Amino acid sequence: DAGVIQSPRHEVTEMGQEVTLRCKPISGHNSLFWYRQTMMRGLELLIYFNNNVPIDDSGMPEDRFSAKMPNASFSTLKIQPSEPRDSAVYFCASSPTGTASGANVLTFGAGSRLTVL
Amino acid sequence: QKEVEQNSGPLSVPEGAIASLNCTYSDRGSQSFFWYRQYSGKSPELIMFIYSNGDKEDGRFTAQLNKASQYVSLLIRDSQPSDSATYLCAVKGSSNTGKLIFGQGTTLQVKP
Repeated sequence: DAGVIQSPRHEVTEMGQEVTLRCKPISGHNSLFWYRQTMMRGLELLIYFNNNVPIDDSGMPEDRFSAKMPNASFSTLKIQPSEPRDSAVYFCASSPTGTASGANVLTFGAGSRLTVL
Repeated sequence: QKEVEQNSGPLSVPEGAIASLNCTYSDRGSQSFFWYRQYSGKSPELIMFIYSNGDKEDGRFTAQLNKASQYVSLLIRDSQPSDSATYLCAVKGSSNTGKLIFGQGTTLQVKP
């Protein structure tokens, strides 16, 4: 398995532009998470999907952020319009769920480093 | 109070020593506890998880959990320079979701 695949790895954009980050989870994992990491705030959970359904989006900072998971193998995180304070590394992670040992263990993608000028 | 708290460090230990990393959590009903390692510029990777009170050993790593004190720790024996990284504690709360909350991380420096 290729692991969790994220794209793009790096994105530099100007304030006001739309940014779309993409994620392909590990096949068979039915939970998908979007995290944002900054030096100041650490690793923050933005939104969490289970079986393609958003379960908890309480971490989404504001309406400028939206996330979708149209199928089990693809998710997007969109920021529109982007602002300099959105600059961070955005990680996608997936996990199996259930009661077996290792359930809820997250596997992270390589991350998408976003810079908004 | 943060949900998961760690001392940000840096924690500096000499090569070969034991490094002790600590984490406290606020949700008394938390069920599962994870330690991740993150090298600079890389993504977090799982070291180990622990569900039950007591110790769990995996090679040079030992996780210790005390639910009564809401405390989880990670011991690294025979520390190596390659262990220098940020160590993230993550906790799954009492809800039925798989939501994992991470601490800020502790930076470990192992000096040759």
